[in-house]
Amino acid sequence: NAGVTQTPKFQVLKTGQSMTLQCAQDMNHEYMSWYRQDPGMGLRLIHYSVGAGITDQGEVPNGYNVSRSTTEDFPLRLLSAAPSQTSVYFCASKGQGQTGELFFGEGSRLTVL
Amino acid sequence: SQQGEEDPQALSIQEGENATMNCSYKTSINNLQWYRQNSGRGLVHLILIRSNEREKHSGRLRVTLDTSKKSSSLLITASRAADTASYFCATPGLSGNNRKLIWGLGTSLAVNP
Repeated sequence: NAGVTQTPKFQVLKTGQSMTLQCAQDMNHEYMSWYRQDPGMGLRLIHYSVGAGITDQGEVPNGYNVSRSTTEDFPLRLLSAAPSQTSVYFCASKGQGQTGELFFGEGSRLTVL
Repeated sequence: SQQGEEDPQALSIQEGENATMNCSYKTSINNLQWYRQNSGRGLVHLILIRSNEREKHSGRLRVTLDTSKKSSSLLITASRAADTASYFCATPGLSGNNRKLIWGLGTSLAVNP
């Protein structure tokens, strides 16, 4: 049982480049989300989805796009990377119900030069 | 903005000792969660306590919730070197459900052999 899988684990980009962080889960979770984690800032929600075809903004959505075409996948797109987007990104999912634990991927460390 | 704030920011203890960390939050909540993050890894759910619960146990973990003081504590008894990690509390956002969790900055725990 793989859980939540994120790729790539590490990525270096130049300012202005675009890329997609991939997230896949095999637990049939309806809810998926993306966070960024920065020193001194904690975890901040970027975007989330409560099911295929449904996405919504979190606390820090600017500069990021998401889509949810399947239950399993929730990619995060950076259209034009900026140094301020240097961070560790985590994908997390959870099952149905308003409460319940989040299952996290292992993270993707992104550096934008 | 941070809902949960943990203290202390860092804690260093000897193996076998107990570790207590605290989380304070600002608004009314219906549940509070604690997570652990080992260095370079994703977060792992430890325990969820609901607003109608005052105390909850899971193995060597004991969580208390005082809604009148808007605070929670996580106690790890008989600590082990493997407990070395950062610990975060998370509370529901203004929506009241766990779609938009708000995270504290974490307590970094070092358990020395």
